[in-house]
Amino acid sequence: DSGVTQTPKHLITATGQRVTLRCSPRSGDLSVYWYQQSLDQGLQFLIQYYNGEERAKGNILERFSAQQFPDLHSELNLSSLELGDSALYFCASSPIPAQISGANVLTFGAGSRLTVL
Amino acid sequence: AQSVAQPEDQVNVAEGNPLTVKCTYSVSGNPYLFWYVQYPNRGLQFLLKYITGDNLVKGSYGFEAEFNKSQTSFHLKKPSALVSDSALYFCAVRDMRTGGFKTIFGAGTRLFVKA
Repeated sequence: DSGVTQTPKHLITATGQRVTLRCSPRSGDLSVYWYQQSLDQGLQFLIQYYNGEERAKGNILERFSAQQFPDLHSELNLSSLELGDSALYFCASSPIPAQISGANVLTFGAGSRLTVL
Repeated sequence: AQSVAQPEDQVNVAEGNPLTVKCTYSVSGNPYLFWYVQYPNRGLQFLLKYITGDNLVKGSYGFEAEFNKSQTSFHLKKPSALVSDSALYFCAVRDMRTGGFKTIFGAGTRLFVKA
């Protein structure tokens, strides 16, 4: 157990629907990162939060949004889902953001597998 | 722009033999380099990193990696492979000159170790 908790583990939904993925970072970690892993795109960085504030954006679609709450858990919202959104979504955390310490290591959760039918 | 390449989709090795998983990178500044491993149905786990100093870095589970600045490579190695090493391996880079906030991962290399 890495200490990063992601729910749900599996999710099956239909095109056009909206889902929310949840992440609780490892105790003491202030920064949260979201990644999407698909067979054809590999591991893609989506977005990063630090202490409740967005710090970096990657290849995140406009249909997707995220936030980090005061208790430091984070949610990734995916709307108007398309078949191509089917993927594994990983959350990772680190004590402080890479902007401050580039040497810090990411701790990953087990992922949420989203299937869009 | 920073990037990282893992030229092999798959590496096959017999148990007890040495293994190498290749990684090359491209950054505009000094690279911070990482290796992560992903076992089936699990998240990525940190193996080792190179920040500065000795070019040979030792990590978890007997793995090591060699930083080669002239060849812009950071190959992962292990002297004697185990069947339990079979997994998906990711090389990653941070370009600290451009802010370093993004960790860019390679496409991954699947390692199969045969008994």
